[in-house]
Amino acid sequence: GENVEQHPSTLSVQEGDSAVIKCTYSDSASNYFPWYKQELGKRPQLIIDIRSNVGEKKDQRIAVTLNKTAKHFSLHITETQPEDSAVYFCAASIGQAGTALIFGKGTTLSVSS
Amino acid sequence: GAVVSQHPSRVICKSGTSVKIECRSLDFQATTMFWYRQFPKKSLMLMATSNEGSKATYEQGVEKDKFLINHASLTLSTLTVTSAHPEDSSFYICSASRGANTGELFFGEGSRLTVL
Repeated sequence: GENVEQHPSTLSVQEGDSAVIKCTYSDSASNYFPWYKQELGKRPQLIIDIRSNVGEKKDQRIAVTLNKTAKHFSLHITETQPEDSAVYFCAASIGQAGTALIFGKGTTLSVSS
Repeated sequence: GAVVSQHPSRVICKSGTSVKIECRSLDFQATTMFWYRQFPKKSLMLMATSNEGSKATYEQGVEKDKFLINHASLTLSTLTVTSAHPEDSSFYICSASRGANTGELFFGEGSRLTVL
């Protein structure tokens, strides 16, 4: 079945710096890769997603890149702010989009001012 | 956007009792819902896929007789934790899909279960 690896598990940056989180997946049939931000005790919030027919997608300070050949995708946050501090999860669909997601283990991002 | 509501948000029960958690899609029909469990400082682990009108599909290692799932309508799925024990204490989150190839899953608020 699908397996998603996420690195690093913790990431500390200074305000204004960039943060990069990387994930790999195992199932070549996966075609949907979302990123979620989760604050303590809350539901995951979708921040950006990408489909396998696209290599890169950007939304203001957040961007995601996908290398389907290598089966890895990355989240890039530029100009980080203290409110970006949270746990970030990558995920991959089990097969086609709309099916269940398998999540990475999460990255705790801390942005200090 | 699509809204998924989960109830209750918090529940405390005694060991050996059963607890039911409801997951509703408020403004769309969800033929498929997914139940996840999240232990403190851990990731979301898929427990089962709930299909409207048919039996749920459970992930390896999840006991179907302990975690009963019912998806009786296109807007409601329920998870019943039977004979709960302290090790079942966790954050349970449901999510719903609008359908195949649509991508985004919409998550409920989550239910914090504490078994004493």
